[in-house]
Amino acid sequence: GAGVSQTPSNKVTEKGKYVELRCDPISGHTALYWYRQSLGQGPEFLIYFQGTGAADDSGLPNDRFFAVRPEGSVSTLKIQRTERGDSAVYLCASTPTSGSTDTQYFGPGTRLTVL
Amino acid sequence: AQKVTQAQTEISVVEKEDVTLDCVYETRDTTYYLFWYKQPPSGELVFLIRRNSFDEQNEISGRYSWNFQKSTSSFNFTITASQVVDSAVYFCALSEALIGANSKLTFGKGITLSVRP
Repeated sequence: GAGVSQTPSNKVTEKGKYVELRCDPISGHTALYWYRQSLGQGPEFLIYFQGTGAADDSGLPNDRFFAVRPEGSVSTLKIQRTERGDSAVYLCASTPTSGSTDTQYFGPGTRLTVL
Repeated sequence: AQKVTQAQTEISVVEKEDVTLDCVYETRDTTYYLFWYKQPPSGELVFLIRRNSFDEQNEISGRYSWNFQKSTSSFNFTITASQVVDSAVYFCALSEALIGANSKLTFGKGITLSVRP
């Protein structure tokens, strides 16, 4: 079946602009995760959704970052007033249930470049 | 706090050599999961293995094998008879294992493996 998909694959924006990154999880998966991977580093946790609610947003770096999942499927990561330091690959992963006993399957990521 | 250390940053081998990728972890949890993911040049993270902290049996899958040693907090990954297609960045990761809890992954920095023909 289809895996996790993310759009766009690449996004170039200017400092100060607003961006939205989309994640489409595997059909039926209730848990969804966002990670950020900076160059030469491993992915770092941003936020976790169980259904429609953000169960843990402790990894969001500041209040410029926000994510939603209004219908419990597609999620959108929103970044306001982008800064050059936000440049990274943003990865999304999903799991069938609560996640604790399931393996996370990742999408291809969105490469964000802030000029 | 959880931590994963992959001390090797880059490894280069010639095809058909065996190579071991090291992973050392820290956690206060008594129950946890350990993972290895592969990230080829295309960028997508590919799941390789998950190991429960209560299961210290080593595992072999084709040319891949994993050695879990709780006593040394290590979860090493060996590729036997490496191939050019094994060239990628390999990440070791750790998560809690509580039902209903956020099982966010804590990743190491990754090891870049280059296999030369």
